[in-house]
Amino acid sequence: AQRVTQPEKLLSVFKGAPVELKCNYSYSGSPELFWYVQYSRQRLQLLLRHISRESIKGFTADLNKGETSFHLKKPFAQEEDSAMYYCALSQGGSEKLVFGKGTKLTVNP
Amino acid sequence: DVKVTQSSRYLVKRTGEKVFLECVQDMDHENMFWYRQDPGLGLRLIYFSYDVKMKEKGDIPEGYSVSREKKERFSLILESASTNQTSMYLCASTSGGGAYEQYFGPGTRLTVT
Repeated sequence: AQRVTQPEKLLSVFKGAPVELKCNYSYSGSPELFWYVQYSRQRLQLLLRHISRESIKGFTADLNKGETSFHLKKPFAQEEDSAMYYCALSQGGSEKLVFGKGTKLTVNP
Repeated sequence: DVKVTQSSRYLVKRTGEKVFLECVQDMDHENMFWYRQDPGLGLRLIYFSYDVKMKEKGDIPEGYSVSREKKERFSLILESASTNQTSMYLCASTSGGGAYEQYFGPGTRLTVT
């Protein structure tokens, strides 16, 4: 069964520090992985997807099939990065997503 | 710009009431989804619809039903609301054809007393 694990419920860093939000998945096929973000009082929105290999708002995520991971990284965290982050996996190429339980990131001044 | 709207931001209902949550998207999207979002549990898929009058159960369909009579509208129905259905409900849509980005509505915070 497809599963997405985000081991940290809460993550707190200081402004300017590097940040890494962990995501591991289990899936037997070829995965499509995503990071979604929800800022305070805003709707959930797509941050990035692995297939586009983009950097969005300074964040990057690399798919590591050997470690079945898709960690989200940013070298220098900003206060405006404080939000809830969800890792998600597409099920069998369909448009249904399996979401992890989320990591709440707090960037302190 | 895709717009997904939900009929209510906050809703308070009594145990046993029938509850309707409405979701409308204005971009002619094929697929629509209903999730519930609970702290520590993330987003869990209740139902989704890939076409008008077509639906498929998600991971937690018990106690819920859905209706999609028109392409733009997807309704979630709680036949007999219970306190354990107190939650944030999120609607989302995708355009179909392998476009995976889900566009979310603002959510409905439902409290069942």
